[in-house]
Amino acid sequence: AQKVTQAQTEISVVEKEDVTLDCVYETRDTTYYLFWYKQPPSGELVFLIRRNSFDEQNEISGRYSWNFQKSTSSFNFTITASQVVDSAVYFCALSEAYNAGNMLTFGGGTRLMVKP
Amino acid sequence: DTGVSQNPRHKITKRGQNVTFRCDPISEHNRLYWYRQTLGQGPEFLTYFQNEAQLEKSRLLSDRFSAERPKGSFSTLEIQRTEQGDSAMYLCASMVGGRDTQYFGPGTRLTVL
Repeated sequence: AQKVTQAQTEISVVEKEDVTLDCVYETRDTTYYLFWYKQPPSGELVFLIRRNSFDEQNEISGRYSWNFQKSTSSFNFTITASQVVDSAVYFCALSEAYNAGNMLTFGGGTRLMVKP
Repeated sequence: DTGVSQNPRHKITKRGQNVTFRCDPISEHNRLYWYRQTLGQGPEFLTYFQNEAQLEKSRLLSDRFSAERPKGSFSTLEIQRTEQGDSAMYLCASMVGGRDTQYFGPGTRLTVL
């Protein structure tokens, strides 16, 4: 069965610090998709990135970067020069290609607090 | 570009009452998903539709829960005889096709007193 673990339940940093959110996943499928979503206090899940299992290239988007390593089943997310607006709960999620429904399995989330 | 919308945003009800939530997906998204999120946890899958067909239901979806998607457009989620354990955020997501990204609505927060 698929599983996503986000071991860090809460992280607190001071503005401008870099922070890395960890995500470890388990799946029996060889083709799968990994996601990161941001959930601000308003509650809506905001899509950040989608990665398929065949693409291990790291990705950078502005202050955000993602490190995908199949060897360690990890898909970590780094925010560089954090800002107060980055404060939110961040979820890592997995979808298996063999599953026709493509439903998402989420980790428990990491609450990031960025203090001014 | 209109995103996924959900109504109501908040619902407070007394135990034993029935409640119904509505989700309007992004136009032309043929897949629609319902998830439930309890406090401090990640969302958990409840059910999904492809067009008007409900194709899978989680074991979390007890007999008191029913979902519909008439005509493959909006969807409703009804909870009958609500219990305090039903208190949660109910999230709806929509997606184009089978291997794309799910986009979420703002959710409906249910409180059962």
